[in-house]
Amino acid sequence: EDQVTQSPEALRLQEGESSSLNCSYTVSGLRGLFWYRQDPGKGPEFLFTLYSAGEEKEKERLKATLTKKESFLHITAPKPEDSATYLCAVQASGQNFVFGPGTRLSVLP
Amino acid sequence: NAGVTQTPKFRVLKTGQSMTLLCAQDMNHEYMYWYRQDPGMGLRLIHYSVGEGTTAKGEVPDGYNVSRLKKQNFLLGLESAAPSQTSVYFCASTLGGEQFFGPGTRLTVL
Repeated sequence: EDQVTQSPEALRLQEGESSSLNCSYTVSGLRGLFWYRQDPGKGPEFLFTLYSAGEEKEKERLKATLTKKESFLHITAPKPEDSATYLCAVQASGQNFVFGPGTRLSVLP
Repeated sequence: NAGVTQTPKFRVLKTGQSMTLLCAQDMNHEYMYWYRQDPGMGLRLIHYSVGEGTTAKGEVPDGYNVSRLKKQNFLLGLESAAPSQTSVYFCASTLGGEQFFGPGTRLTVL
């Protein structure tokens, strides 16, 4: 059975304090790993897709990396506007996607 | 482009009532999905569609039915609502990779 876990469940950072979020997955035949950002009361918004171990993607203060068993979302010098829930999802066979429970990030000014 | 839209945004039902949630996308995407999101459980797939006229069950399909009569629309039906179906429902569409989500429907079943 395909599974995705995320840690920590919640994270509080001071503005400028860099950190990483973890997404661990168990899937037979990874077709893609996706990171989304979700603001309260809104739908998830796509951030990155990673396809193979060793791949990295960057966007502003965010960098996503992928190994054979996990992915990390690194946040460098975060700002309060980076506060959100970050969701990880995997695509295995077909068009089925499995989401993790998310990490709630709070960045304090 | 409006992207993915969902109607209604909010709804309160009594146990046993029925309703239909509508999802529409204007991006000509083949694949469409219905998820429910509950606190601490992330997004769980209810049903999905790989094309007009086709549907498939996801992780939590019981109590729900779907239809995809037109490529741009994906309907989610609750025939007899139960309190356990209180949740936020999200629709999404994709060409095959990253998904585009609607704003959600908050449903409360009393």
